[in-house]
Amino acid sequence: DVKVTQSSRYLVKRTGEKVFLECVQDMDHENMFWYRQDPGLGLRLIYFSYDVKMKEKGDIPEGYSVSREKKERFSLILESASTNQTSMYLCASSSGGTAFYEQYFGPGTRLTVT
Amino acid sequence: AQKVTQAQTEISVVEKEDVTLDCVYETRDTTYYLFWYKQPPSGELVFLIRRNSFDEQNEISGRYSWNFQKSTSSFNFTITASQVVDSAVYFCALAVKAAGNKLTFGGGTRVLVKP
Repeated sequence: DVKVTQSSRYLVKRTGEKVFLECVQDMDHENMFWYRQDPGLGLRLIYFSYDVKMKEKGDIPEGYSVSREKKERFSLILESASTNQTSMYLCASSSGGTAFYEQYFGPGTRLTVT
Repeated sequence: AQKVTQAQTEISVVEKEDVTLDCVYETRDTTYYLFWYKQPPSGELVFLIRRNSFDEQNEISGRYSWNFQKSTSSFNFTITASQVVDSAVYFCALAVKAAGNKLTFGGGTRVLVKP
């Protein structure tokens, strides 16, 4: 079974703090994704990566950055957390290539910025 | 740009009733894939189905069935004889070839099945 794990289920941070969210997958997937989930808005893509050290902006990258130093790990960084970044953050991974493979999701991190 | 609309935000049914979730998508691409995911209270999204734009056959998997109609740009999902364990948020999503492996999600429909 594909396993995607995220470093924390719940996180509380203060405004202005630097926040790291970690995601690890164990299926040797090429693609990894970070989404945020807000009520009524579904999931919105923040950043994604097709390979190690490669990253591309999604639909809402402002205020975020990412790092992918190893194939299995994809980190989301909030350089200076703000209250409007309070949300559920979901990581996903999928096989690469030209086919549209399904994405496998982690359990999510509920981040509260106070 | 792509768009997915799930007009129903919440549906409440009594166990054993059928429930249909609507999904309408927009894209100018001719090659695309449609997905349904389930998010139970635990939070982890679970993949249910993937269909490509060239295959309009309806699909049935146990109590789940999907109706894909390109003419109306819809990909609706029906749960037959619902059970309490079906209570979850269900998301419809779209991936188009031109946009790579990115998914565009609808806003989700919360299904509450009462015993």
